[in-house]
Amino acid sequence: EIVLTQSPGTLSLSPGERATLSCRASQSISSSNLVWYQQKPGQAPRLLIYDASSRATGIPDRFGGSGSGTDFTLTISRLEPEDFAVYYCQHYGNSLFTFGPGTKVDIK
Amino acid sequence: EVQVVESGGGLVQPGRSLRLSCSVSGLTFGDYAMNWVRQAPGKGLEWVSFIRSRTYGGATEYAASVRGRFTISRDDSKRIVYLQMNSLKTEDTAVYYCTRLQRDYFDIWGQGTLVTVSS
Repeated sequence: EIVLTQSPGTLSLSPGERATLSCRASQSISSSNLVWYQQKPGQAPRLLIYDASSRATGIPDRFGGSGSGTDFTLTISRLEPEDFAVYYCQHYGNSLFTFGPGTKVDIK
Repeated sequence: EVQVVESGGGLVQPGRSLRLSCSVSGLTFGDYAMNWVRQAPGKGLEWVSFIRSRTYGGATEYAASVRGRFTISRDDSKRIVYLQMNSLKTEDTAVYYCTRLQRDYFDIWGQGTLVTVSS
C-alpha cells in the first residue's frame, strides 16, 4: 500500500508570497494517479489538480502541480486571501485511494 | 447544476447500525462510480468505499477499516447511493462525504453528513 507524506505540516506565509507544498509517496507512482485538493474550514474538499499537473475546471493558474516518481509539488505562485486552507494530496492504485495527512497554509 | 446531497447522519450507539443516503442530480448518475470519503473531527480525509457504474458491473471496494461492516449500494432509478454501516465503532465518528469518481479522482463533493458514534 502506498503511503503519502506531506510536508511541511503547517506553512505560515503572507498574502502575495509563494507557497510550495510537498507530497512524497512511499514508492514510485504514476503521475496520472496523483491529485491535489483544497479544503477550507467547514467546507467539503475541492479538486485542484489531477494527473499531478492538470488544473481542474475553474482553478486559477496561480495553482500549479509538478513532480514524478515519489516526489510531487503543489505551488501557489502568489497567495490570495482565499488560498489559506488545508491541502491534501491523493493517490489511486490497486483499487485503493490514499490521502496524505495534509498541509495547512495559514496567514503569517 | 450538479448537486450531491448526503443525509442520514446522526448520533448512534456503538454496535448499532445507520444508513447514509446520497442523492445526486444534474448529471447522468448511472454513468459514474460513486464514493464515500470520511473525515474524523479535526483529522484528515479517509476514503471509505466506492461503487462502480452498472457498465462496470457495479463492483465495490472498501477500505480495510470498514470492510465487512459497511456496504455500499446504488439505486440508479432513484439516483441515490447508500452506505449501510453496521457494528459501528467510536472511531467511525466523522463527517461522511459522497463524491463522484472521475477516472481516479473525486471531482464533485457533497457537503457531508455527520455521524457520531457514542454511548
